[in-house]
Parts: sequence; C-alpha cells; structure tokens
Amino acid sequence: GAGVSQTPSNKVTEKGKYVELRCDPISGHTALYWYRQSLGQGPEFLIYFQGTGAADDSGLPNDRFFAVRPEGSVSTLKIQRTERGDSAVYLCASSPQGSLGSYEQFFGPGTRLTVL
Amino acid sequence: GQNIDQPTEMTATEGAIVQINCTYQTSGFNGLFWYQQHAGEAPTFLSYNVLDGLEEKGRFSSFLSRSKGYSYLLLKELQMKDSASYLCAVRDQDTNAGKSTFGDGTTLTVKP
Repeated sequence: GAGVSQTPSNKVTEKGKYVELRCDPISGHTALYWYRQSLGQGPEFLIYFQGTGAADDSGLPNDRFFAVRPEGSVSTLKIQRTERGDSAVYLCASSPQGSLGSYEQFFGPGTRLTVL
Repeated sequence: GQNIDQPTEMTATEGAIVQINCTYQTSGFNGLFWYQQHAGEAPTFLSYNVLDGLEEKGRFSSFLSRSKGYSYLLLKELQMKDSASYLCAVRDQDTNAGKSTFGDGTTLTVKP
C-alpha cells in the first residue's frame, strides 16, 4: 500500500511569504504528526493530530505556524510571514490507533523548505 | 521537559558489532524507539522497547533499562549500507499514539 506522501518535495520562498505544506497519511491512520528537522539534528515535534483535532500543538514555535486536518486524513501545515530561520525539512508521520503493537510512526519523505 | 542524549558520531568496521547508547530524562515514559535515517531520507522504524530487557530482530537488537533511563541499539555483522544516522526517540504520553521526542541522532560510518 501507499506510504505517507508529502507535497511539495521542495519549496523555495522569499522572506515574508506564506507557504502551505501538505501531508497525505497512510489510509486508516488516525494519528498524524508534524516535525521539522534541521541539518545534524533530530526531528523536532511541532503538532500532533488525533483524528481532526490537534491533540498537542505545544511544539509550534509561534503563531505564524498553524496546521489543520479538517477531515481526519490530509493535513496542511501553514506558515505565515516566513523567516529565514524557518528553513528546514518538514516531516510528516502517521501512526495507527487502536491496534496492538509498537505504534511506530511512518514518516513521509519530507518537504525541504528554503526561505531566502 | 525531555532530554535525550546520544553520541554524535561513531565509526566501525564492516562485519563488526557496534553499540549505540542513548540516555534520557523525561517527564513521562511510554516506550522508546530507534529509527534509522539515511542521508536525505525519512526516518524508518527499527525497534521498540517499553519493558526492561533486550529485544532482538535479526542483526539489530535494542535494550532498555527504565530505572537507569538508558537504552542501546546493537548492530551485528555490520554492512556498508548500515552507514546512517540512528535516532533514539522517547514516547512521553500515556496514550499509545502520543508524540515522540527525538535525540539528535548518532551518525554511524561503516568502513571496509
């Protein structure tokens, strides 16, 4: 079956612009996570959805960042007034709910965001 | 808060065994994961420990001691393709689908 997909794979934008990053999780996975990863560092948690609602948004760095998951499947991470410090790889992951096991996260290939 | 420490870099020889350590200090604990990440790619799941002890899966094994806040990943019969970053992650909520906090990863270089 299809894995987690993310679009675009690369996004170059200018400082101050608005960007949207899309994540399409594995079908049936109710948990969805957004992380961002800078070079040489591990993924940094941003926000976690359980179904349509944000169960934990404590990792969003400020109010320029917002994410939605209106139908409990596809999610969009929105960044307003982008800054050069927002440049990173944005990773999306999904995880099943209600099954036995390790609840591992399945990661998408990421969107590399570059703010000039 | 969460604090996860792992060595930045390690080097080993093809065919050898390497142990990558991870120590953590977290406000909650509901499982520890190891992920492998090749350069420019997404992390992929390797192992999961929630109880103390050793979990073995082929060439990879992972150990957990909850009382010590310590885990290690053991890689046997190293192959060149094992050159990658290895990420230790702690799930810190009571619900099984809770978020994970990641360490910065250990870059393993396997030499011939």
